Amino acid sequence: DGGITQSPKYLFRKEGQNVTLSCEQNLNHDAMYWYRQDPGQGLRLIYYSQIVNDFQKGDIAEGYSVSREKKESFPLTVTSAQKNPTAFYLCASSPLGLAGAREAYNEQFFGPGTRLTVL
Amino acid sequence: RKEVEQDPGPFNVPEGATVAFNCTYSNSASQSFFWYRQDCRKEPKLLMSVYSSGNEDGRFTAQLNRASQYISLLIRDSKLSDSATYLCVVSTNAGKSTFGDGTTLTVKP
Repeated sequence: DGGITQSPKYLFRKEGQNVTLSCEQNLNHDAMYWYRQDPGQGLRLIYYSQIVNDFQKGDIAEGYSVSREKKESFPLTVTSAQKNPTAFYLCASSPLGLAGAREAYNEQFFGPGTRLTVL
Repeated sequence: RKEVEQDPGPFNVPEGATVAFNCTYSNSASQSFFWYRQDCRKEPKLLMSVYSSGNEDGRFTAQLNRASQYISLLIRDSKLSDSATYLCVVSTNAGKSTFGDGTTLTVKP
């Protein structure tokens, strides 16, 4: 079955530690995204990548880092510089919009998320 | 002002009611528009893409007004299972998507 997976589902971290969240997709999608969601709020974009070995900062990139060495994988590292890391982290992937199409489609498919708690 | 704004609700409606959600966006370069559904403590899932001509999928109708930078979602004959948070999403051709904060719907028997 094609899909997008995230691990672990729940993660506990001590203050001051770096932690890496995994995201893998076998949908052959070019684009991948990381979002953060806080209770009662929408999703905020951390980083996104449209092609291997390239990625762009989103709206709240400070304190986070990513890599895109393979098309299938887009791990997110939450560093100790992130002041308030406790949140629900969602990874998504999408095919790129169709160049020249009348309407571009880049529907995103989400993984089940990782709940990070800093103790 | 947020790039994508939604009425947070909550909307509490009886079964069988018709309910409408609105969403406004500020980036005129936006090209793709979607409604996602998110259940409590779960990931968002695509409900509908929103096309310029408007589109319908069963009890759900989505409309886009590019001139007013406004999209809407209409749910007819509400079911208990429609209770969820509905997220408006706007994307540019550069691949960046912006999510609204969501509108919470509770359908009651």
